[in-house]
Amino acid sequence: DSGVTQTPKHLITATGQRVTLRCSPRSGDLSVYWYQQSLDQGLQFLIQYYNGEERAKGNILERFSAQQFPDLHSELNLSSLELGDSALYFCASSARDALMHEQFFGPGTRLTVL
Amino acid sequence: QKEVEQDPGPLSVPEGAIVSLNCTYSNSAFQYFMWYRQYSRKGPELLMYTYSSGNKEDGRFTAQVDKSSKYISLFIRDSQPSDSATYLCAMSGWRTGRRALTFGSGTRLQVQP
Repeated sequence: DSGVTQTPKHLITATGQRVTLRCSPRSGDLSVYWYQQSLDQGLQFLIQYYNGEERAKGNILERFSAQQFPDLHSELNLSSLELGDSALYFCASSARDALMHEQFFGPGTRLTVL
Repeated sequence: QKEVEQDPGPLSVPEGAIVSLNCTYSNSAFQYFMWYRQYSRKGPELLMYTYSSGNKEDGRFTAQVDKSSKYISLFIRDSQPSDSATYLCAMSGWRTGRRALTFGSGTRLQVQP
């Protein structure tokens, strides 16, 4: 158990809908990263937050957004969902920015868009 | 061409064998090299990381980095059926200007009892 929690484990929804994925980092970790894992693209970095502030963006679509709250949990919002958004979504946390090489992953949320 | 290349496998070995998993990369700015293990439908688990070149050992696992060849390896000694998983290499480096890991596509390992 990495100490990173994610809810829900599974999510099934329809095209055009909006969903929210939630992540709680390891106790004391300030940095949260979101990744998308699909069969054809592997693990792709989406976005990073550090202590409540957005720090970096990767291959994140404009339909997706995220935030990190004062208690350091983070939410990833996916809107106007398309079939191609079906994937595993992971969050990871690290203690500090400088320790991004020590990222610990949560169990993931499996999103299925029908 | 991808920045980090990894043979997808599957790699099938008998129990007790020494396993060698490898990645090549093209960006010389990478400084940290990580290995993650991912069981089916689970989150990646950090096995170990190495900074710059050299070897690092942790139990049955040994990581090697050869920056001159842009080649990294993970060796698993006395492999067990419980080692059956997908192994992902990942890399990072502040000189890349990125704040996240760059992953290989993963190698699926099957250890046969």
